[in-house]
Amino acid sequence: QVQLQESGPGLVKPSGTLSLTCAVSGESISSSNWWSWVRQPPGKGLEWIGEISHSGTNYNPSLKSRVTMSVDKSKNQLSLNLSSVTAADTAVYYCARFQWPYFTYWGQGTLVTVSS
Amino acid sequence: DIVMTQTPLSSPVTLGQPASISCRSSQSLVHSDGNTYLSWLQQRPGQPPRVLIYKISNRFSGVPDRFSGSGAGTDFTLKISRVEAEDVGVYYCMQAAQLPYTFGQGTKLEIK
Repeated sequence: QVQLQESGPGLVKPSGTLSLTCAVSGESISSSNWWSWVRQPPGKGLEWIGEISHSGTNYNPSLKSRVTMSVDKSKNQLSLNLSSVTAADTAVYYCARFQWPYFTYWGQGTLVTVSS
Repeated sequence: DIVMTQTPLSSPVTLGQPASISCRSSQSLVHSDGNTYLSWLQQRPGQPPRVLIYKISNRFSGVPDRFSGSGAGTDFTLKISRVEAEDVGVYYCMQAAQLPYTFGQGTKLEIK
């Protein structure tokens, strides 16, 4: 059974950088699957941020200039950095495994609030 | 980006009665490989989403057969034959035919 667990600061100051990690268990982060980040502003819908695999990365063009994703194979985890954050980036951030062509496993999500 | 539009945005349903949600995409979701990458997700209150249906009509493992999907091209439908209390939540359609993956706005299913 694959499990994902997001972690990181719950509060980030405006103009700062949001940094989250997602610990993966039950599967190697180096597998053939893609690992995604999806966010959900409070009370709103889902937005795909991007994905990473051993093949590379794909980012949502709307966030591409501010997003960086990476993996740490030794810890079997993936990371998300989102720079120059504003209140509009306040959301629950999920990591998820994308097993073409759908998301099979999701973390429980972590709420990140952007506020001074 | 492909825009996904769901209707209705809210659906009050009586227990045991059917429910139907529509999803329309701004472009055809037929991939160059010939498959149509439209999936449906359910998000129960306080939970992450989970996949119900993929490639229009394929039920994911463990999904009750009261859930069914249909459609083609740009118009798709999720049907629940008999709504149960555990079906309460928000339903999203999602396309994976083209990057970036995009979701519908969500349809809130509630019990009358």
